Amino acid sequence: AQTVTQSQPEMSVQEAETVTLSCTYDTSENNYYLFWYKQPPSRQMILVIRQEAYKQQNATENRFSVNFQKAAKSFSLKISDSQLGDTAMYFCAFMKRPGYALNFGKGTSLLVTP
Amino acid sequence: DAGVIQSPRHEVTEMGQEVTLRCKPISGHDYLFWYRQTMMRGLELLIYFNNNVPIDDSGMPEDRFSAKMPNASFSTLKIQPSEPRDSAVYFCASGTKGGSNQPQHFGDGTRLSIL
Repeated sequence: AQTVTQSQPEMSVQEAETVTLSCTYDTSENNYYLFWYKQPPSRQMILVIRQEAYKQQNATENRFSVNFQKAAKSFSLKISDSQLGDTAMYFCAFMKRPGYALNFGKGTSLLVTP
Repeated sequence: DAGVIQSPRHEVTEMGQEVTLRCKPISGHDYLFWYRQTMMRGLELLIYFNNNVPIDDSGMPEDRFSAKMPNASFSTLKIQPSEPRDSAVYFCASGTKGGSNQPQHFGDGTRLSIL
């Protein structure tokens, strides 16, 4: 079974600053998918960014980017120019391939302060 | 385009009562997932279906939990009898095998409180 570990239960960052959320995972698969989800207080699950393991290039979506280190099984999320609306729980998730369930980490609660 | 629809949004009931959570997946999606979110255990898979057939129910906690998918547009998760430790947010999600861009679309969840 794949396990996903987020070692930072809580983090805080000032508005306009940059913050990095950590995620490591364990798998014997060679090809797989990794995701970051955002869960604001409304409890919606919002997909932030995705990475396919066979792609070496790190994914980027506007202010969000990842540092994917396949050999180290590490998948960190960098949020640049943090905004108050970024305050939320962030979950790292692993998927073997489409059609399989997501394995989630325990989440990191991010607070963006003025 | 309607997303995944879950009902009810909130449910408060007394211990021992039967609880039924409902989910309508996105039309055309052939996978449906039920997840449970608690503070202690985070988000965990309970069961998932492919083409209305249960594929993996290893996450279902015990016999008090059951899930059905009678057709492609409807699924239920039932707890009978309910216990306080079942209090959690229950999410339904749907997806397709070709959907690696957005692997699963989540509903807004049902917050269940068992008194």
